[in-house]
Amino acid sequence: EVQLVESGGGLVQPGGSLRLSCAASGFTFSSYWMHWVRQAPGKGLVWVSRINSDGSSTNYADSVKGRFTISRDNAKNTLYLQMNSLRAEDTAVYYCTKVSHSSGLNWGQGALVTVSS
Amino acid sequence: DIQMTQSPSSLSASVGDRVSITCRASQGINNYLAWFQQKPGKAPKSLIYSASTLQSGVPSKFSGSGSGTDFTLTISSLQPEDFATYYCQQYNSDPLTFGGGTKVEIK
Repeated sequence: EVQLVESGGGLVQPGGSLRLSCAASGFTFSSYWMHWVRQAPGKGLVWVSRINSDGSSTNYADSVKGRFTISRDNAKNTLYLQMNSLRAEDTAVYYCTKVSHSSGLNWGQGALVTVSS
Repeated sequence: DIQMTQSPSSLSASVGDRVSITCRASQGINNYLAWFQQKPGKAPKSLIYSASTLQSGVPSKFSGSGSGTDFTLTISSLQPEDFATYYCQQYNSDPLTFGGGTKVEIK
């Protein structure tokens, strides 16, 4: 069974940093592209970032480009999102997702990030 | 970016009703279209991928159809646990994009 478990969320002041982790199990992590998607309170889902299977290619939403960095450690089956220069508008639940053209989508339970003074 | 237009934004229905939700992509997405359900305070739950393939463990009352740019999610007989918000999503290309959601409420 595919499991994705996010951690690292919390309360941070504007301008601060936070690193989210997503521990993956139940599938061959190193074979799949992974994404981060976020959902602000009461709002819809918004894509944040993507990384390919070996970590050599990444992509970001314009709203986080230059501030967030996606990475992965295939030996540890873990996906990361380093978030710097955080703003109030980054407040959201962050989900890691496994996206496969052949087997569909899986979601983690989410990690709440609150940016507030 | 591919825009996903979902309708209606909300609907009221009774237990036992058959309901349909539509999603239109702004360009072809090779049927890489997913539907998922979300309840308040919970993570999204995947229902369908590749436009019409049921995710493992999802009951057959959920079905997906469509191709090209127009897609539909149908729930054959609404049950109390089905009242939730439903989203479509394309995963043909970056960035992943989502419909605005359809809130299914009890009439």
